[in-house]
Amino acid sequence: NAGVMQNPRHLVRRRGQEARLRCSPMKGHSHVYWYRQLPEEGLKFMVYLQKENIIDESGMPKERFSAEFPKEGPSILRIQQVVRGDSAAYFCASSPADRPYEQYFGPGTRLTVT
Amino acid sequence: DQQVKQNSPSLSVQEGRISILNCDYTNSMFDYFLWYKKYPAEGPTFLISISSIKDKNEDGRFTVFLNKSAKHLSLHIVPSQPGDSAVYFCAASALGAGSYQLTFGKGTKLSVIP
Repeated sequence: NAGVMQNPRHLVRRRGQEARLRCSPMKGHSHVYWYRQLPEEGLKFMVYLQKENIIDESGMPKERFSAEFPKEGPSILRIQQVVRGDSAAYFCASSPADRPYEQYFGPGTRLTVT
Repeated sequence: DQQVKQNSPSLSVQEGRISILNCDYTNSMFDYFLWYKKYPAEGPTFLISISSIKDKNEDGRFTVFLNKSAKHLSLHIVPSQPGDSAVYFCAASALGAGSYQLTFGKGTKLSVIP
């Protein structure tokens, strides 16, 4: 059973460009979460999605950031007009519907903004 | 304001001895707690969890203790092995409030010395 898949693993963007991060949940999992880890910090919650629905986006910056989890395909975290402060590791987690607190994490995408 | 605190950034333990990692929280709404282990350049791996209705949960070499009145939990690893060397994150969730987002501490780096 494959775990949570994230790609790309490393992403380099210049200031002002767009970054798209992808996450495929574990088989059978219908809940997806995105977290961000800044250097020397713990992981910070960004957004919680189910298929075609955003359930909790209380951790998302109000501008430039968006997330989706379409009916078909992976979940996408999109960052428009990236700035240096967006450089971080972005982790996706998934959980089964009946145990949403059991979150399993992917390997992360390391975004570097130059 | 950090709601989950891991006050020891690092800990060194001899192989075969007990490792004790501590975590404090401030939010009374937290009712589910998890420990994750993380190696560099990888995602967090779930280790063990505990609900607030319990004060202890054990899984092999790992035991988590919860003291609700002190808002404190600890992870015991016995016996410690060199492969346990990693960063350990404490996380909390407020399931009763309908929130599945995890709030993480900043982590404790455990080094097990052979």
